[in-house]
Amino acid sequence: DQQVKQNSPSLSVQEGRISILNCDYTNSMFDYFLWYKKYPAEGPTFLISISSIKDKNEDGRFTVFLNKSAKHLSLHIVPSQPGDSAVYFCAASRNNDMRFGAGTRLTVKP
Amino acid sequence: NAGVTQTPKFQVLKTGQSMTLQCAQDMNHEYMSWYRQDPGMGLRLIHYSVGAGITDQGEVPNGYNVSRSTTEDFPLRLLSAAPSQTSVYFCASRGLAGDKYEQYFGPGTRLTVT
Repeated sequence: DQQVKQNSPSLSVQEGRISILNCDYTNSMFDYFLWYKKYPAEGPTFLISISSIKDKNEDGRFTVFLNKSAKHLSLHIVPSQPGDSAVYFCAASRNNDMRFGAGTRLTVKP
Repeated sequence: NAGVTQTPKFQVLKTGQSMTLQCAQDMNHEYMSWYRQDPGMGLRLIHYSVGAGITDQGEVPNGYNVSRSTTEDFPLRLLSAAPSQTSVYFCASRGLAGDKYEQYFGPGTRLTVT
């Protein structure tokens, strides 16, 4: 069973606009959530995270929002840049178990 | 620091062959893990280790063995390869101090089983 879901396989936005990537999870026991970015032929790289005791975490152009009652998190990128084009994975963790979504391919057009 | 390194980058196996995917990290991380990435499935945890001599199963452990004799190395063994094991394999590591779970990933090994 897929406990972490990213329902949009792809997203295309214009440079300078906001990118919003969404993620849903089913297991309420997850207590830490992360976003990873992946370029082709490379391993995923950590982007931003949030603990379940918070509802927002911001790092420069990247903000992650967590809605625990809806079991939903989102990643906002403002402003989007062409270099942000990559596959984005959300992940949810409890203890030593981490589950990933299937990924969303973001394309930022100049 | 080299971070997390994986060898080989590419491998082709015939059904029934065995092989070991190597993973090493130089960050003195206690936690190491193996994932496989398949189209439309994201990354799925195969096995993980929280220190030398300690390993545990993840979400999809069948067909794979691991051992952790040192802090630095965490090899993944396929005892009898099957076409269903065709995938991209990623090794990752992180420290266990604090409450952060960010893992550092290696560049991956692309495995094809024919």
